[in-house]
Amino acid sequence: GAVVSQHPSWVICKSGTSVKIECRSLDFQATTMFWYRQFPKQSLMLMATSNEGSKATYEQGVEKDKFLINHASLTLSTLTVTSAHPEDSSFYICSAKRQGVGMNTEAFFGQGTRLTVV
Amino acid sequence: RKEVEQDPGPFNVPEGATVAFNCTYSNSASQSFFWYRQDCRKEPKLLMSVYSSGNEDGRFTAQLNRASQYISLLIRDSKLSDSATYLCVVNCYGNNRLAFGKGNQVVVIP
Repeated sequence: GAVVSQHPSWVICKSGTSVKIECRSLDFQATTMFWYRQFPKQSLMLMATSNEGSKATYEQGVEKDKFLINHASLTLSTLTVTSAHPEDSSFYICSAKRQGVGMNTEAFFGQGTRLTVV
Repeated sequence: RKEVEQDPGPFNVPEGATVAFNCTYSNSASQSFFWYRQDCRKEPKLLMSVYSSGNEDGRFTAQLNRASQYISLLIRDSKLSDSATYLCVVNCYGNNRLAFGKGNQVVVIP
């Protein structure tokens, strides 16, 4: 089946540094990928929609200059958390659907990245 | 009003019992509905899509009620391995954006 791979699975960084998270679709092309954030006991909250070859679309309240998204190819999207602060500590998950499929198809999720900012 | 609402629980269920829960959605234009399962500190995984006529997959039965804008999930003969959080996911017409509920946490007790 389709697989979405996310790396790293966990990272600890110091306040003020930047962290890059990669999301790859391994056996299908994805013109669109999605980045979510999940705090403990909360639902997944969509942060942004990553579009291959164009700018990402950010949800209201998500700072585009802080969460940089690059979708340079049909199989790779990256999320960079810049100048990280402890409140950015969370579980970040990406997802993708196969290109050109309908609405009822499954969205595949990466394994998630647990970010801890100290 | 939130796009998707679920009672987070937890739902403590004796092994072998049946448990059911609902999820309500606010956008009447919603077109696709899913139940995902999420284990602690893991990514969500598709449990089943929800079709208009209702559908069953083994011990799991999903129903959709468009008039009242809710979907339901029923788990029969609960197993210890069913302990997880079940996320209600709704897809609006015309885009690939998914809206997630908080999830129903199920704890199956021996």
